[in-house]
Amino acid sequence: AQTVTQSQPEMSVQEAETVTLSCTYDTSESNYYLFWYKQPPSRQMILVIRQEAYKQQNATENRFSVNFQKAAKSFSLKISDSQLGDTAMYFCAFMKLKAAGNKLTFGGGTRVLVKP
Amino acid sequence: DGGITQSPKYLFRKEGQNVTLSCEQNLNHDAMYWYRQDPGQGLRLIYYSQIVNDFQKGDIAEGYSVSREKKESFPLTVTSAQKNPTAFYLCASNPLGTGGVETQYFGPGTRLLVL
Repeated sequence: AQTVTQSQPEMSVQEAETVTLSCTYDTSESNYYLFWYKQPPSRQMILVIRQEAYKQQNATENRFSVNFQKAAKSFSLKISDSQLGDTAMYFCAFMKLKAAGNKLTFGGGTRVLVKP
Repeated sequence: DGGITQSPKYLFRKEGQNVTLSCEQNLNHDAMYWYRQDPGQGLRLIYYSQIVNDFQKGDIAEGYSVSREKKESFPLTVTSAQKNPTAFYLCASNPLGTGGVETQYFGPGTRLLVL
């Protein structure tokens, strides 16, 4: 079974600065997907970014980028130029490639507070 | 507008009562999922369905039941056997067979409270 660990329960960052969230996972699979989801106070889960394990290039989406280290089983998220709207819970999630059901395994989350 | 709707937003359950949470999607997605989220924690999978009239247990299925009679709908029943049902429930869906990453998209959630 896969496990996903987010070791930082809470982080705070000043507006316009950069914050990095850590995520590690444990799997024996070689092909899989990794995701970061954002859950703002509204509690709606919103996809931030995704990474295919077979791709060496790190994914980027505007101000969000990842540092994917496959050998270390690490998948950190960097939020650049932080904005007040980035305040939310952030969840790292793992999905096996072509697994039955496309099931996601989530980490426990990191609460990010962006201060003005 | 395409999307996933969940109702009600808040639901109150009395002891020994079964309650049903609704999840509807108009995205023409094949697969649908139910997750439970406890305060300060991540999501855990309850049930999922990849096709009409078929569904599979997730990691925490005990005390819950589902049906999938229509592609658009995947209701979750919280039965009296679920002894600690207070939580936030999220429904998700994704297409299958696109050849790419089948990203799951989530509904707005239902908060269930026990009276």
